[in-house]
Parts: sequence; C-alpha cells; structure tokens
Amino acid sequence: DVVMTQSPLSLPVTLGQPASISCRSSQSLVYTDANTYLNWFQQRPGQSPRRLIYKVSNRDSGVPDRFSGSGSGTDFTLKISRVEADDVGVYYCMQGTHWPYTFGQGTKLEIK
Amino acid sequence: QVQLQESGPGLVKPSETLSLSCTVSGGSITSANYYWNWIRQPAGKGLEWIGRIYIRESTNYNPSLKSRVTISVDTSKNQFSLKLTSVTAADTAVYYCARGGSLIMARYGMDVWGQGTTVTVSS
Repeated sequence: DVVMTQSPLSLPVTLGQPASISCRSSQSLVYTDANTYLNWFQQRPGQSPRRLIYKVSNRDSGVPDRFSGSGSGTDFTLKISRVEADDVGVYYCMQGTHWPYTFGQGTKLEIK
Repeated sequence: QVQLQESGPGLVKPSETLSLSCTVSGGSITSANYYWNWIRQPAGKGLEWIGRIYIRESTNYNPSLKSRVTISVDTSKNQFSLKLTSVTAADTAVYYCARGGSLIMARYGMDVWGQGTTVTVSS
C-alpha cells in the first residue's frame, strides 16, 4: 500500500497567522491519465471528515479561499493563509491514485 | 441534499459478525454517478478505507480486510450495508459511510459523509 506521511503531526498556530501541512507519499501519485489524485480532508472535533480539496488544488464548494493545495509527484502541501478559530481540527491527506486508497495519519491544528 | 445515516449494534462480541447499514436520503443509491463507501476510524487514530459498492454489483475492498468484508445494497430501502466477520478488539472503531464519485471522480475521495457510528468489540 502507498504510505502517506504527514508533518507536522501537531500544529499550534496563532489566529490570523498562516499554516502549512506537508504530505508525502511513498510512491508517485501521478496516474496513467497524467492526473494526480491527492485530496485533503478536515475533521473538526466531534464531526465527520469533510473534503476540502481534490486533485491536489481544487477546492470543494463552500471551502474558503484561505485554503489552498499544491504539490506534485510525491510532495504535497495544504496551506491556510490566515487561520481562524473554525479551522481547529485534524487534517488528512488521501491518495486516490493507487489501490487501495490510503490516508495520512493526520495533522492536528490547534490555536496557540 | 444527500444525507447518509449509519445504523447498527454498538457492541459486538469477539469472533462474531459486525453488521451496519447506511440509509441514503435525498438521492438514489442506484445512481450511476456514485460509489458508496465504508471507512473506519479507531479511537484517536486515522482513517482506514474499508471498501465500496457501485450500482449494486461492483465492489472493491481493502486487501487488508477483503477476506472478512462484504458490502451490499438494498435498493428497496435505499441502503447499503457492511458485514465484517470474525471481529476482534482491533475492529473497534467509528464506522462511517460516505459517498464518492464514479469513474475517474472516484479518485477524488468522498464528498458526503454520515455522522459515524461507534462499534465496540468486547465480550
């Protein structure tokens, strides 16, 4: 299985400051159709996961433009330009290129 | 707006079969546009994709669980179900049902999730 490794695992951030989460895969996530299937999910405390970004950099409907995704190959990043209190939770990357689909171990974002 | 709701026993004995259902409201489970997935999350841990079903017949399972998992659909109830046999304490987790796109969009992950149901394996 493709191993997804996130860092940091814990991310204390001051309100209004930027945040960045790294996700690395054990294999390239470029699929045979030349697309890269790396997705990001947010799980707020006590809630179900919610997809934020699909295919590296495409934001889901209703996701603030403070959230952005980037990367290629095996290295990917989720950035939050200005952290708000509502952003507290655990963030997961997930690859959809190789079978079975796998998730990272999660990065817990908290407010300093 | 599509909503998903899991249901089933919260306690299962070791070696028995875990059975959960997911009721889909606001949309048809026979739609060609979607896969229907099961994902689980042990307490304090990350997410593990269990498997999925597409238009009643086509299923895909995580190889790590494949020998114990069956996912099926009941179109009369607009539900899909999960059966996991020979459970152990390691199967204790929150179980989520979720919708994913079909064809290439299946690789985008899941866009609608249920609220999750906690299943504990204990005697």
